[in-house]
Amino acid sequence: GQNIDQPTEMTATEGAIVQINCTYQTSGFNGLFWYQQHAGEAPTFLSYNVLDGLEEKGRFSSFLSRSKGYSYLLLKELQMKDSASYLCAAGLSGTYKYIFGTGTRLKVLA
Amino acid sequence: DVKVTQSSRYLVKRTGEKVFLECVQDMDHENMFWYRQDPGLGLRLIYFSYDVKMKEKGDIPEGYSVSREKKERFSLILESASTNQTSMYLCASSLTGTSSFAYEQYFGPGTRLTVT
Repeated sequence: GQNIDQPTEMTATEGAIVQINCTYQTSGFNGLFWYQQHAGEAPTFLSYNVLDGLEEKGRFSSFLSRSKGYSYLLLKELQMKDSASYLCAAGLSGTYKYIFGTGTRLKVLA
Repeated sequence: DVKVTQSSRYLVKRTGEKVFLECVQDMDHENMFWYRQDPGLGLRLIYFSYDVKMKEKGDIPEGYSVSREKKERFSLILESASTNQTSMYLCASSLTGTSSFAYEQYFGPGTRLTVT
């Protein structure tokens, strides 16, 4: 079956580094997405990985291991505005669909 | 910039009413999607469309129908609204990927629907 798991909630301190993990099982896979969603707002695209390895974009980095069905989002130098939910999503090859995790709610404390 | 707009941010309807939610995208994307988002359940796909007049059921299509008469517009219809359809409804669009590459989805601002 199709399945994505990520932790429900995480807490970190301003200025720190946090890693949000995501594991997936899909029949067919064409990439892993990370989205950020502030409360009451729409998800916005953060990153996409289709090959193994680390992709860096400023304070945010995303890693993928296809053989392990594992990804993580790394947020450095945390700011209060990073308090949000972070959704991982897998593209399902051979379809037009994506499967989403339930999201990780990150609280950044002063 | 891709823009996806939805007809209403907030909507209150009565049980049994027919409800129309509209979504418009301005980037010529082939694919459009309707999701509902509920606490603890994440984003669940209701229907999607990969071309004009083409549609496919997602994971939770019961009680919903869709219409795509023009490429830029995708409508979600609740034939007879019920209280368990109270939710946040999100529309999204994307380009079509390949078996080895996918494009990101762009989301509209969402419609918070309350059925009383």
